[in-house]
Amino acid sequence: GQNIDQPTEMTATEGAIVQINCTYQTSGFNGLFWYQQHAGEAPTFLSYNVLDGLEEKGRFSSFLSRSKGYSYLLLKELQMKDSASYLCAVTDSNYQLIWGAGTKLIIKP
Amino acid sequence: GAVVSQHPSRVICKSGTSVKIECRSLDFQATTMFWYRQFPKKSLMLMATSNEGSKATYEQGVEKDKFLINHASLTLSTLTVTSAHPEDSSFYICSARDRDYNYNEQFFGPGTRLTVL
Repeated sequence: GQNIDQPTEMTATEGAIVQINCTYQTSGFNGLFWYQQHAGEAPTFLSYNVLDGLEEKGRFSSFLSRSKGYSYLLLKELQMKDSASYLCAVTDSNYQLIWGAGTKLIIKP
Repeated sequence: GAVVSQHPSRVICKSGTSVKIECRSLDFQATTMFWYRQFPKKSLMLMATSNEGSKATYEQGVEKDKFLINHASLTLSTLTVTSAHPEDSSFYICSARDRDYNYNEQFFGPGTRLTVL
């Protein structure tokens, strides 16, 4: 079966750095997405990785290792507004998007 | 660019009535649109994939006669919840894939919160 695992909840301090991990087992791979979702709102796109390595975009970076079926989202200089759920999603061989359950990130002052 | 709108944003209806939700891609053409449902504190659940001009593909466990999907143009898909019941109360989100984009990002609408009394 297809499976994406990420921690249910994480807590971090304002100004700090947090890494949210995602492991996946899918039938084929055509890219991995990270989305941010605030409560009561639709997801918004953060990053896309299809090749191994690190993609940096401002305070957010995303890493991919296809051989390990592993990705992480790194958030630096955390702000209170970063409190949200972070969703990992993988496009499989049929270009179907397979979603993780999401990681709720709680930022404390 | 790549904006997706949904209407209405909130709807409250009586049990047994039907509700139509519209999803529009405002500045791009979307050959494929997706309909998701999300219950509180749960992840997105794909309900169906809608391709312009053809029948929608429903996920297992989703009743196609209850959730009618029409994708009549490259910029509009509609989801009709027929004979709604309280258990259909949820957050419904559509997304669209830009046919001219070279990777598979889905652009999400703002969602529709349905409450069935």
